Amino acid sequence: AQSVSQHNHHVILSEAASLELGCNYSYGGTVNLFWYVQYPGQHLQLLLKYFSGDPLVKGIKGFEAEFIKSKFSFNLRKPSVQWSDTAEYFCAVTSWAGANNLFFGTGTRLTVIP
Amino acid sequence: EADIYQTPRYLVIGTGKKITLECSQTMGHDKMYWYQQDPGMELHLIHYSYGVNSTEKGDLSSESTVSRIRTEHFPLTLESARPSHTSQYLCASSNPGNSPLHFGNGTRLTVT
Repeated sequence: AQSVSQHNHHVILSEAASLELGCNYSYGGTVNLFWYVQYPGQHLQLLLKYFSGDPLVKGIKGFEAEFIKSKFSFNLRKPSVQWSDTAEYFCAVTSWAGANNLFFGTGTRLTVIP
Repeated sequence: EADIYQTPRYLVIGTGKKITLECSQTMGHDKMYWYQQDPGMELHLIHYSYGVNSTEKGDLSSESTVSRIRTEHFPLTLESARPSHTSQYLCASSNPGNSPLHFGNGTRLTVT
């Protein structure tokens, strides 16, 4: 079965600091990768996705993620965080062949201090 | 703002009660899902549906049941709630294939 690991459970940063959240998955085949974000009191929403092509994908609000196939990783980055980025971030993966399920990581809570 | 609606948002009930968690979407999506999420844990798929009259169990065993009589509606039912059912339940929908999921706000269920 596939699994997704997010090693950082809680990250605390000051505004303008750079962010990188780790995500590793276990699946040997072709995958589709996602980052979802949940702002306080809101529903989960898509931040960015990778299906194929350029392994560096850009999402909303200045976020980007890089797919490194050899490392089974899809880390999320942002050069300069804002207080409004405080949220919980979930990495998710589904196999290209089996779209029945989206496997989620445990999430990383990001707190940005003004 | 979400186009997928879950009610109630919060529910506290006693052991043994029957409950139904409602989920509706207005996007015409064929695929719908129920996830269960405990604090600090990953989301686990408990049910999904490809369309009307189609329901399947997910990876996490659950005593709940679902139905899909209409495209826009995917309710989840617990016949006899127990404290072990205390959790957050998230409903989602998507277009066919690997399209991104659209999530509702969730129902936080507490069984006393």
